[in-house]
Amino acid sequence: NAGVTQTPKFQVLKTGQSMTLQCAQDMNHNSMYWYRQDPGMGLRLIYYSASEGTTDKGEVPNGYNVSRLNKREFSLRLESAAPSQTSVYFCASSEQIRLGQTIYEQYFGPGTRLTVT
Amino acid sequence: TQLLEQSPQFLSIQEGENLTVYCNSSSVFSSLQWYRQEPGEGPVLLVTVVTGGEVKKLKRLTFQFGDARKDSSLHITAAQPGDTGLYLCAGTDSGTSYGKLTFGQGTILTVHP
Repeated sequence: NAGVTQTPKFQVLKTGQSMTLQCAQDMNHNSMYWYRQDPGMGLRLIYYSASEGTTDKGEVPNGYNVSRLNKREFSLRLESAAPSQTSVYFCASSEQIRLGQTIYEQYFGPGTRLTVT
Repeated sequence: TQLLEQSPQFLSIQEGENLTVYCNSSSVFSSLQWYRQEPGEGPVLLVTVVTGGEVKKLKRLTFQFGDARKDSSLHITAAQPGDTGLYLCAGTDSGTSYGKLTFGQGTILTVHP
């Protein structure tokens, strides 16, 4: 049981290049999320997927696209990277721990450290 | 948009000291969670509190959810160097679907031997 895995672990891009960050979970969770983490700003939600086949914007979606390929996999794509997208990106999945209540617990991957020059 | 404010932002203490980290909001949360993150890794869930006034203990860590479910605190007794890390609180709005969390900015704790 690997939990949440992310690839790659590190990436350096030039401005304007594109790339896809991969995420997979083996916990059979319905919901998955992409966050970015910047110093002093905590974690900010980029996109989330409530279930297979659905995706929705989070707090900071501009410049990103996502694909929920199946229940296990949720990818994040940068079409034209910009220096402002230099950050650490985390994927997470969650399970509802109490039926009938909005109480979920999220599990995070190890992160992708992206630098855009 | 709900906001969670954590304080202090930085905490540097000696081994054996006690400390408290606070997480405050003007909004009500249906649940609140605390995560710990070590350098180069993702956040790891420590605890989930749900009921106003709830207190949970995890070894030397005590978590409390405010009566009005707008605030929470994390108290560490006799801190050890292994407690060093980034502590994050995160809340779920009862009107939010699918487990979306609002995170505080985090508290960087350093415990010196």
